[in-house]
Amino acid sequence: EDQVTQSPEALRLQEGESSSLNCSYTVSGLRGLFWYRQDPGKGPEFLFTLYSAGEEKEKERLKATLTKKESFLHITAPKPEDSATYLCAVQIMNYGGSQGNLIFGKGTKLSVKP
Amino acid sequence: GAGVSQSPRYKVAKRGQDVALRCDPISGHVSLFWYQQALGQGPEFLTYFQNEAQLDKSGLPSDRFFAERPEGSVSTLKIQRTQQEDSAVYLCASSVSSGSSETQYFGPGTRLLVL
Repeated sequence: EDQVTQSPEALRLQEGESSSLNCSYTVSGLRGLFWYRQDPGKGPEFLFTLYSAGEEKEKERLKATLTKKESFLHITAPKPEDSATYLCAVQIMNYGGSQGNLIFGKGTKLSVKP
Repeated sequence: GAGVSQSPRYKVAKRGQDVALRCDPISGHVSLFWYQQALGQGPEFLTYFQNEAQLDKSGLPSDRFFAERPEGSVSTLKIQRTQQEDSAVYLCASSVSSGSSETQYFGPGTRLLVL
C-alpha cells in the first residue's frame, strides 16, 4: 500500500534555530514528491516538486532534498512567519501516464518563536 | 492571475440536508481534483476530472457523494443526506500538465460542519 509518513508531528523552534522535517514514503512507483505549506484556514500553498533521488531545490530559507525512501525539508535560520503546517505528498506512476492524485502525509506543524 | 476559488467558504448543514460546493479552477487548467481534509490530517483524494470527464472517483466515501464538471471548467461536489462524519474541509485543486511539471494548485477550501 502506498504510504507517506511525516515526522515529527509538531516542532517548536526559536527564531534562527535551523532544523529539518522528514517525509518517508513507500510507493509502488514515484512520479513526484511535493512539499506544500498550509496556514490555518487556508488551502495548501505549493513549495517544491522533486522527481528523482539526489535532486535538491531551494527557496529563501527552505531547501528540499530527495532520496529513494525519504525527503527532507531543511529550514535555515527560521523566522516567526515560517510558522505553518508543512505537508508532504507523493504522486505515483499510474495507468496510461495520465495524471494521478496526491497522497499526503499528516503534516508537521512548525512553530517559530521570536 | 487569479487562483483557484471555492464557494461557499463555510457551510453549516443540518444532518440529512443536501449541500453543493463549488470550485472555479485556474483558467486553462484541464485537470481538477477534489480532496477532503479532516482536522489535523492531510488531504485525502476524492475524485479527479480531466476536462469534463471524471476519470477517477475511487476516493468518494459513499454513493451520497457526487461530483460533476459539465463544461470542463467549474466543478460542483454534491453531498446528499449529510452525516456528521462528513464534517471536514473540502479542497479543490487544479493543474495543467506541462512536460514533467504537474503541480496541483489548491483553493482555500470549503469548511463544512454538519450538526
